[in-house]
Amino acid sequence: AQSVTQLDSQVPVFEEAPVELRCNYSSSVSVYLFWYVQYPNQGLQLLLKYLSGSTLVKGINGFEAEFNKSQTSFHLRKPSVHISDTAEYFCAVSRSNDYKLSFGAGTTVTVRA
Amino acid sequence: EAGVTQFPSHSVIEKGQTVTLRCDPISGHDNLYWYRRVMGKEIKFLLHFVKESKQDESGMPNNRFLAERTGGTYSTLKVQPAELEDSGVYFCASSQTSRGPQETQYFGPGTRLLVL
Repeated sequence: AQSVTQLDSQVPVFEEAPVELRCNYSSSVSVYLFWYVQYPNQGLQLLLKYLSGSTLVKGINGFEAEFNKSQTSFHLRKPSVHISDTAEYFCAVSRSNDYKLSFGAGTTVTVRA
Repeated sequence: EAGVTQFPSHSVIEKGQTVTLRCDPISGHDNLYWYRRVMGKEIKFLLHFVKESKQDESGMPNNRFLAERTGGTYSTLKVQPAELEDSGVYFCASSQTSRGPQETQYFGPGTRLLVL
């Protein structure tokens, strides 16, 4: 079974500053990797996903993530955040032959002016 | 196009009572999933339907939980009898079939269940 670790539970950041959310996973088989965001009072929305190919994945709202197989990481970055990026972010993993997602505990990003 | 909808948005019940949660997936999505987040912990997989069949129910915690998807459209998740530890947010998600596990799972807003 795979597990997902999000190293930071809370990340405060100032508006227009960069942010990086860290995600590490453990799995002995090939995986797919996902980042979801949950805005207040809404469901989870997919930001981006890595299936194969280029290790740098670009998503919605200016986010990108890089898959590093040797370090089993999939860190999420945004060069300049907005107040509207305040949300909880979840890293998730699935085995390439399995539908179920395994989630990390979530990282709450709070953007301040 | 309507997204995944869940009803109710909130439910407060007493220990020992029964609660039924409903999920309406995106039209045309054969795959339907239930997940649960308990007390700020990780979101955990409960089960996966393909149309009306249970494909994987390895995450169901015990036999107090019963999920159905009659006709392969909407799904219900019944908890009977509810216990305190069942409190949490129950998410439903759906996905298309064409690319299997590569397909994006679209999540509903969740049902917040509180058992007193």
